[in-house]
Amino acid sequence: DGGITQSPKYLFRKEGQNVTLSCEQNLNHDAMYWYRQDPGQGLRLIYYSQIVNDFQKGDIAEGYSVSREKKESFPLTVTSAQKNPTAFYLCASSPNPQQGGGSYNEQFFGPGTRLTVL
Amino acid sequence: RKEVEQDPGPFNVPEGATVAFNCTYSNSASQSFFWYRQDCRKEPKLLMSVYSSGNEDGRFTAQLNRASQYISLLIRDSKLSDSATYLCVAAGNMLTFGGGTRLMVKP
Repeated sequence: DGGITQSPKYLFRKEGQNVTLSCEQNLNHDAMYWYRQDPGQGLRLIYYSQIVNDFQKGDIAEGYSVSREKKESFPLTVTSAQKNPTAFYLCASSPNPQQGGGSYNEQFFGPGTRLTVL
Repeated sequence: RKEVEQDPGPFNVPEGATVAFNCTYSNSASQSFFWYRQDCRKEPKLLMSVYSSGNEDGRFTAQLNRASQYISLLIRDSKLSDSATYLCVAAGNMLTFGGGTRLMVKP
């Protein structure tokens, strides 16, 4: 089955530790994204990548880092510099960031990772 | 002002009712729009895409008014299973998500 997987589903971190969240897709999508969702809030873009070996900061990139060494994988590292990391993290992918006529392809989401800092 | 604004609700409606949500966006360059459904503690799932004036899929109708910069979602004959949060999304340079509107359908 094609889809997006994220692991782990739940993650607990002590203050001062870095943690890496996994995101894998087998949809052959070019673009991948990381969002953060806080209770009762919309999704906020952390980082995105439109092609392998390239990625861009989103609206709230401070305290996070990513890599895109393979088309299928886009891991997110939450560093100790992120002051309020407890949140629901969602990874998404889309076929390509923009199709003809300026219309964007929709994004498809993984099941998310719920990170809690103890 | 948020780029994409939605009434957070909750909208409490009885089964069988018709309910409508509005969403306003500030970026006039937005080209495409989407409605996603998100169940509690789950990922958003695409409900409808809106590229022109509107789209209809069964009980769900989305309409776009570019002049007034708003998108609406109409749900007819509400089911208990429609209870969820509905996210409005505008696509400009990137996708911008609204905060969501929570719907609760009661028996």
